[in-house]
Amino acid sequence: AQSVTQPDIHITVSEGASLELRCNYSYGATPYLFWYVQSPGQGLQLLLKYFSGDTLVQGIKGFEAEFKRSQSSFNLRKPSVHWSDAAEYFCAVGASRGGADGLTFGKGTHLIIQP
Amino acid sequence: DAMVIQNPRYQVTQFGKPVTLSCSQTLNHNVMYWYQQKSSQAPKLLFHYYDKDFNNEADTPDNFQSRRPNTSFCFLDIRSPGLGDAAMYLCATSPGGLAGEIHEQYFGPGTRLTVT
Repeated sequence: AQSVTQPDIHITVSEGASLELRCNYSYGATPYLFWYVQSPGQGLQLLLKYFSGDTLVQGIKGFEAEFKRSQSSFNLRKPSVHWSDAAEYFCAVGASRGGADGLTFGKGTHLIIQP
Repeated sequence: DAMVIQNPRYQVTQFGKPVTLSCSQTLNHNVMYWYQQKSSQAPKLLFHYYDKDFNNEADTPDNFQSRRPNTSFCFLDIRSPGLGDAAMYLCATSPGGLAGEIHEQYFGPGTRLTVT
């Protein structure tokens, strides 16, 4: 069974500073990887996804993530954070059987932005 | 705009009183999912429908049921809510497809359930 680990429960970053959120996955086959963001009381919004091809993927809101198979990682990055980026960030892995399986999420990283 | 809609956004029910949460979608997606998200935790998949085929996760309690009367609508029924069922319930959709395909999921805003 697949699993996702987000080692950092909370991260505090100053506005304008760079950001990296860590994600490690465990899956026996080719992983399908996602980053979602959740603002308080809201649903999840997809930031970016990796299915295959270029290991550096670009997403919305200036985010990017890099897939590293050798490290089983899919870390999310942003060069300069804005106060509006404060939210909960979830990394997720999808299986490929049947084409309809649910996602397995990490426990999330809560991002706090300091002025 | 195509979207996933959940009603109500906030639901209060009494211990043991059946409650139904609603999800509708205008994306015409084949697959609809229900996730449970407890406070400060990751969303956990309860079950999903691929068209009319119901797929239950092994550890989903029998207290949780679902119905999908048509492509657009899916309901989550909690037959006898307990205090431990208080959570955010997220509905999601995906296009589905052939075996071996994977698609992103589109989430609704969620329904926050309180059990008193």
